[in-house]
Amino acid sequence: AQSVTQPDIHITVSEGASLELRCNYSYGATPYLFWYVQSPGQGLQLLLKYFSGDTLVQGIKGFEAEFKRSQSSFNLRKPSVHWSDAAEYFCAVSTDSWGKFQFGAGTQVVVTP
Amino acid sequence: DVKVTQSSRYLVKRTGEKVFLECVQDMDHENMFWYRQDPGLGLRLIYFSYDVKMKEKGDIPEGYSVSREKKERFSLILESASTNQTSMYLCASHGQDGTYEQYFGPGTRLTVT
Repeated sequence: AQSVTQPDIHITVSEGASLELRCNYSYGATPYLFWYVQSPGQGLQLLLKYFSGDTLVQGIKGFEAEFKRSQSSFNLRKPSVHWSDAAEYFCAVSTDSWGKFQFGAGTQVVVTP
Repeated sequence: DVKVTQSSRYLVKRTGEKVFLECVQDMDHENMFWYRQDPGLGLRLIYFSYDVKMKEKGDIPEGYSVSREKKERFSLILESASTNQTSMYLCASHGQDGTYEQYFGPGTRLTVT
């Protein structure tokens, strides 16, 4: 069965420090990969996506992610976090022609001063 | 800008009541989705629809039904609400343009007492 794993439920990071959120998927072929962010009380906003081509993708708000086929991973990074980056982050994969998503459980990011 | 709206941000219902959650999108998208979001479980797909009057079960359809009479509107119905349906409900849509990017509404936090 297809699955998406976000190993870190909760991450605390200092403002200005770097951030990396991990995502691993289990699927036979290369799926379409997405990272979404959910600020408190809000819906989900797309940060970035990967379909094919360059394995390092740039997104909004200074985020980037790298697809590594050999590790079935799609990790999200930001070089220097801002207090406004405190939110919950979801990795998602789309594996069928309907575009249905399988989501990870999410990683809650707390930013300290 | 794609806009996905949900009829209520917060809803409190009693056990056994019939509950309607409404979702409207303004981008003429073919595909629409209902998810529930619970802490530690991420988003789980309840139902999706790929056309008017067409629907498919997702991963957790039990206790729910849906209706799509018009392309822009997708309703989630709890026939007889139960306390274990207390959750955040998110609606999403995407077009058949091959990108599979889903656009999310702000969510409805439903409490069943």
